[in-house]
Amino acid sequence: NAGVTQTPKFQVLKTGQSMTLQCAQDMNHNSMYWYRQDPGMGLRLIYYSASEGTTDKGEVPNGYNVSRLNKREFSLRLESAAPSQTSVYFCASRLRDREIAEQYFGPGTRLTVT
Amino acid sequence: SQQGEEDPQALSIQEGENATMNCSYKTSINNLQWYRQNSGRGLVHLILIRSNEREKHSGRLRVTLDTSKKSSSLLITASRAADTASYFCATVRGGNKLTFGTGTQLKVEL
Repeated sequence: NAGVTQTPKFQVLKTGQSMTLQCAQDMNHNSMYWYRQDPGMGLRLIYYSASEGTTDKGEVPNGYNVSRLNKREFSLRLESAAPSQTSVYFCASRLRDREIAEQYFGPGTRLTVT
Repeated sequence: SQQGEEDPQALSIQEGENATMNCSYKTSINNLQWYRQNSGRGLVHLILIRSNEREKHSGRLRVTLDTSKKSSSLLITASRAADTASYFCATVRGGNKLTFGTGTQLKVEL
C-alpha cells in the first residue's frame, strides 16, 4: 500500500494564479483532511471530508475550496493564490469518523507564492 | 487557535538519556494523540490516550494524561539519534477533528 500520496511535492506560484493540490489514499478510509503548516506552528485544519460526498470547513478555510472526488481522492484548490498561502500542505486520512482512530498523513506539498 | 501548547519548544539531549515533553490544552477532550514529524516529512502517529486513561505505554514511549490539569506528557526513554524529530500533541474533542499543538523540536546527539 502506498498510504496517502500527494502531488505535487513542490510548487511555486505567482500571486493570483490558481492550482489544485491532489491527494489520494489507498487504505479505504472514510475521512480525509487538508492541513497547512507554517513555521513555528502546528498544523491547522483547512477543510475535511467525513465521508464521500461531504465536505466541511476547518479552522482556516478562506481562500480554499475542496472536492471529494470519490472515496480515494480529496483535492484542495487555490483559486487566486496569495503570499499568505505560502505554506506546507498536508493531506491526511482516517479510517472512521466519530471513532477513536489515528490519522495517516501524506508527505506534504511545499507551496511558495511570490 | 491552537488547542495545545507543547513545552519545551526545543530540547537537546544526549543519546541514551530520557526526553520528556509536555502538552497543555484548553478544553475538555475525548482523547489525546501524539505524533512525530521528521524533517521535511509528514506526521506519523505514535500513541493515543483516551480521556478516561491516565497512563499508556508503547515500546520506549510513555504517555500520561491529567484531565484535571488539562495536560499530557510524552516520555521517550533511552533516546536514540533516530528520535530526532518534532513531536506534536493533538486533541480530539469529539467527532472527527484533531487540533494540534505547536510542537517540541527534539534533538538527540551522539
